[in-house]
Amino acid sequence: DAGITQSPRYKITETGRQVTLMCHQTWSHSYMFWYRQDLGHGLRLIYYSAAADITDKGEVPDGYVVSRSKTENFPLTLESATRSQTSVYFCASRQGAGIETQYFGPGTRLLVL
Amino acid sequence: TQLLEQSPQFLSIQEGENLTVYCNSSSVFSSLQWYRQEPGEGPVLLVTVVTGGEVKKLKRLTFQFGDARKDSSLHITAAQPGDTGLYLCAGAKPEYGNKLVFGAGTILRVKS
Repeated sequence: DAGITQSPRYKITETGRQVTLMCHQTWSHSYMFWYRQDLGHGLRLIYYSAAADITDKGEVPDGYVVSRSKTENFPLTLESATRSQTSVYFCASRQGAGIETQYFGPGTRLLVL
Repeated sequence: TQLLEQSPQFLSIQEGENLTVYCNSSSVFSSLQWYRQEPGEGPVLLVTVVTGGEVKKLKRLTFQFGDARKDSSLHITAAQPGDTGLYLCAGAKPEYGNKLVFGAGTILRVKS
């Protein structure tokens, strides 16, 4: 199916472990984004990418690493998970830099024990 | 401090009632978007407003962008249970490279 998918949908891990969240889109959109959603904060941008091999920090990048070797994939890695990284993570994509529609994946619920 | 302040945070109303959700900022935005998010899913774009004073209608939903492009409102007429969800406003500013800044959201519950 075309669209934007995330995996896993649910993940439980322990403090200190490395975790990678996957994001895949089939539209060949140039822009991809990672957000975290926490009650009372809305969606906060972690990292974004304007094209393959181009990434930049968002509002809350500490503790996260991204890469984008292929246009369609944008994995997010928590290098050493902390309890404060328990959250719902959303990946999104958009064709251009303007006011086009931004499409969101279904989210990954991450619990760090 | 949120760059975009949404109010109210929570709203519980009966089917058939009208409601308005507000999105306010002290900053000027080049455009503003409204999303709806249902439990367990990602946000879905409802509308984009670009011009100060612009009004857009989507069936029973009316969106307005303030004249100064600092605020926006979403009005729902005769709310239905299917309108239940989290409503998010998001603003874009050229100096942010058109990255979206989101408000904290308004949780709407429409009871039948």
